[in-house]
Amino acid sequence: ILNVEQSPQSLHVQEGDSTNFTCSFPSSNFYALHWYRWETAKSPEALFVMTLNGDEKKKGRISATLNTKEGYSYLYIKGSQPEDSATYLCAFLDSSYKLIFGSGTRLLVRP
Amino acid sequence: DTAVSQTPKYLVTQMGNDKSIKCEQNLGHDTMYWYKQDSKKFLKIMFSYNNKELIINETVPNRFSPKSPDKAHLNLHINSLELGDSAVYFCASSFTGFGGGGQETQYFGPGTRLLVL
Repeated sequence: ILNVEQSPQSLHVQEGDSTNFTCSFPSSNFYALHWYRWETAKSPEALFVMTLNGDEKKKGRISATLNTKEGYSYLYIKGSQPEDSATYLCAFLDSSYKLIFGSGTRLLVRP
Repeated sequence: DTAVSQTPKYLVTQMGNDKSIKCEQNLGHDTMYWYKQDSKKFLKIMFSYNNKELIINETVPNRFSPKSPDKAHLNLHINSLELGDSAVYFCASSFTGFGGGGQETQYFGPGTRLLVL
């Protein structure tokens, strides 16, 4: 059974704080890791698709790193803003193209 | 300009009915997907089509039948609806299917909220 876990489940931070959360996935048969941002009442929005061990991707104040050997990815948000409040989902794609989503980390940024 | 659109947005129906949800993308993508967001808020892939051909068919009851009349459309037909089918269904599309070396970034539709009474 493929298991994708995200921690923490939820996170409350103050505006301006930097934060990070984790996605853990199987370290075998890795093909890609996807990160999505999902605001309430909207649809998931793709942030990154990461394929290589050691990959680092950046989009504005959001960045992500990938360690396929140990099976984890970190998502960082620098200087959190209220508009960053959303659920951040990761999804693991294995080499047989099976895609499994984590349950997400719900981030709330207080002004 | 809506990139991936779904209709209807909300669907309330009785058990046993047959219903369809439509999805259209105007991004020129080759691959389209259907996802179900279950009661625990997990997103689970149901189907994937590439250029009108079925690529992924996860363990989904055969009451669910996707139909792709062309590569810009992927509709989901559900027969004999059951209470457990109540969920939010998301359509998505990408340039390539999984295995696209990072080109499979997905663009999601707004979701269809299905309630079976």
